[in-house]
Amino acid sequence: ILNVEQSPQSLHVQEGDSTNFTCSFPSSNFYALHWYRWETAKSPEALFVMTLNGDEKKKGRISATLNTKEGYSYLYIKGSQPEDSATYLCASGRDYKLSFGAGTTVTVRA
Amino acid sequence: DGGITQSPKYLFRKEGQNVTLSCEQNLNHDAMYWYRQDPGQGLRLIYYSQIVNDFQKGDIAEGYSVSREKKESFPLTVTSAQKNPTAFYLCASRGPGGNQPQHFGDGTRLSIL
Repeated sequence: ILNVEQSPQSLHVQEGDSTNFTCSFPSSNFYALHWYRWETAKSPEALFVMTLNGDEKKKGRISATLNTKEGYSYLYIKGSQPEDSATYLCASGRDYKLSFGAGTTVTVRA
Repeated sequence: DGGITQSPKYLFRKEGQNVTLSCEQNLNHDAMYWYRQDPGQGLRLIYYSQIVNDFQKGDIAEGYSVSREKKESFPLTVTSAQKNPTAFYLCASRGPGGNQPQHFGDGTRLSIL
């Protein structure tokens, strides 16, 4: 089991503000890093799959960066909106065996 | 619409009883997974299957069993040997090729009566 950690556990953001949070994972034998968004009462939805050091991915106002040498990824939300309220999960590992972090729960206040 | 269907949404188990959680997908995916979520913890892998008629234990397989007789179905049985079954269970599938994301169902919440 890979030790994947996410911080902070939760955060509150004012609507319109930008925010970011971290996923840490073992840098040795790195294969891939996944980000998922999990809204209340829905199923987790894939945001990004990242594999290369220095990778940057973007989907609307959400973007992510990857540093495989030091074992971390940042997820950024620009201009947070109430619909961004969710738990964001990261996972690292091979396709058939991902290890998930406990998630960062983001609450956007109007 | 293509997706993953888990049923039931809520399930209650009596002491000594086996219960089966259903997971069906119409995405034509070969790989399927079962995860367990407990408060404050990440998803933990129970079992996975990369192809029909084959499955492998994940990190916390004790007290659980699965079958994969059809490509679209991957039911999970929580046996009486699982002493702490109260949790949220998620099923997922993954498409072909490397580095594909997983697609998840809506989950089943299992509680003890």
